[in-house]
Amino acid sequence: EDKVVQSPLSLVVHEGDTVTLNCSYEVTNFRSLLWYKQEKKAPTFLFMLTSSGIEKKSGRLSSILDKKELFSILNITATQTGDSAIYLCAPLGAKTSYDKVIFGPGTSLSVIP
Amino acid sequence: DAGVIQSPRHEVTEMGQEVTLRCKPISGHNSLFWYRQTMMRGLELLIYFNNNVPIDDSGMPEDRFSAKMPNASFSTLKIQPSEPRDSAVYFCASSLLGNQPQHFGDGTRLSIL
Repeated sequence: EDKVVQSPLSLVVHEGDTVTLNCSYEVTNFRSLLWYKQEKKAPTFLFMLTSSGIEKKSGRLSSILDKKELFSILNITATQTGDSAIYLCAPLGAKTSYDKVIFGPGTSLSVIP
Repeated sequence: DAGVIQSPRHEVTEMGQEVTLRCKPISGHNSLFWYRQTMMRGLELLIYFNNNVPIDDSGMPEDRFSAKMPNASFSTLKIQPSEPRDSAVYFCASSLLGNQPQHFGDGTRLSIL
């Protein structure tokens, strides 16, 4: 059965700290992995990773995938209070009729001033 | 561009009543997803439509739940009869293709008393 584990589940840091969020997965016929940020409402898309070792960056956020070891990390440097959110890891696996996304439980990040 | 639009935003109703949640996906997106999110179980896929056809409904909890997509711009999720354990946030999401990043609506917060 497909499985996604995120760690830590919860994290509290001070503004300016750097954080690393982890995602390990076991997904049949892996295709790609997506990261989402969920604040008060809907998840919003951050990154889509398909190749190992290629870092994707957007401002202070970056992410990388290791398909051999079946994990991904999301880094946030110089954290700000606006980074407080739940970060969801979502690998896609090819099923019979479509590529299915499996959402992890999320890491709840709180950034305090 | 308008995002995914869901209605109602909040619904409070008594056990046994019929509940209908509505979703308008982003124009041009051919994939539509319904999710349920709870603290205990996280974000769970209920049903996936591709080109208005249900492809995967394995996440629909039981016969009390049904979903339709009569055309490319509208989908409904119905619960009849509703039970307190159905209380959750229900999200609709759409994507250009099934394996592309999903755009989520703001969700419907459902409370069954």
